[in-house]
Amino acid sequence: ETGVTQSPTHLIKTRGQQVTLRCSSQSGHNTVSWYQQALGQGPQFIFQYYREEENGRGNFPPRFSGLQFPNYSSELNVNALELDDSALYLCASSLSLAGTGNTIYFGEGSWLTVV
Amino acid sequence: DQQVKQNSPSLSVQEGRISILNCDYTNSMFDYFLWYKKYPAEGPTFLISISSIKDKNEDGRFTVFLNKSAKHLSLHIVPSQPGDSAVYFCAAGGRQNFVFGPGTRLSVLP
Repeated sequence: ETGVTQSPTHLIKTRGQQVTLRCSSQSGHNTVSWYQQALGQGPQFIFQYYREEENGRGNFPPRFSGLQFPNYSSELNVNALELDDSALYLCASSLSLAGTGNTIYFGEGSWLTVV
Repeated sequence: DQQVKQNSPSLSVQEGRISILNCDYTNSMFDYFLWYKKYPAEGPTFLISISSIKDKNEDGRFTVFLNKSAKHLSLHIVPSQPGDSAVYFCAAGGRQNFVFGPGTRLSVLP
């Protein structure tokens, strides 16, 4: 149990639709990162939020966007869904900026299938 | 361009023996490294970390070794147990995020 919770756990969307995934961070963690994990691959960094501001972004198009709220919970929004967006989306929280000596702790993930 | 590589997609080890999982990275700016274990249908579970100022960190059956000059780290599991069967990911910390390897599937045979 990492204390990071994600919802929904599974969902199916149609190509072109929009999706919102949600994450509650571990208590006391002010940084949240989102990763996409396709089958047979390692997690790929999408972006990181620190104190409600985006702080770093991976190689993902602008239709991937996010929000962090004052209570440090977070949302990942994906517009104009494509078939290749089908993946496990992982939220991870950390005490402070990830990658700078702060370990990240993952939730169970949200499985997105785009048909 | 893979910045973090795990060149063995799979590894089989007998129960009780040592499992050694390897990871190589290319970016010398990485200074913090993590290992995760992942079971099917679950999120990755943090195992152990190491900072670039150390060359070894130990936690129970898990030991991580870091060779900065070779840009190589390894995870040793001793003794291996059937419950250790999972996919193992190494991750290297940059300024704002972690870069993950593609994973190694470990099978511990009874």
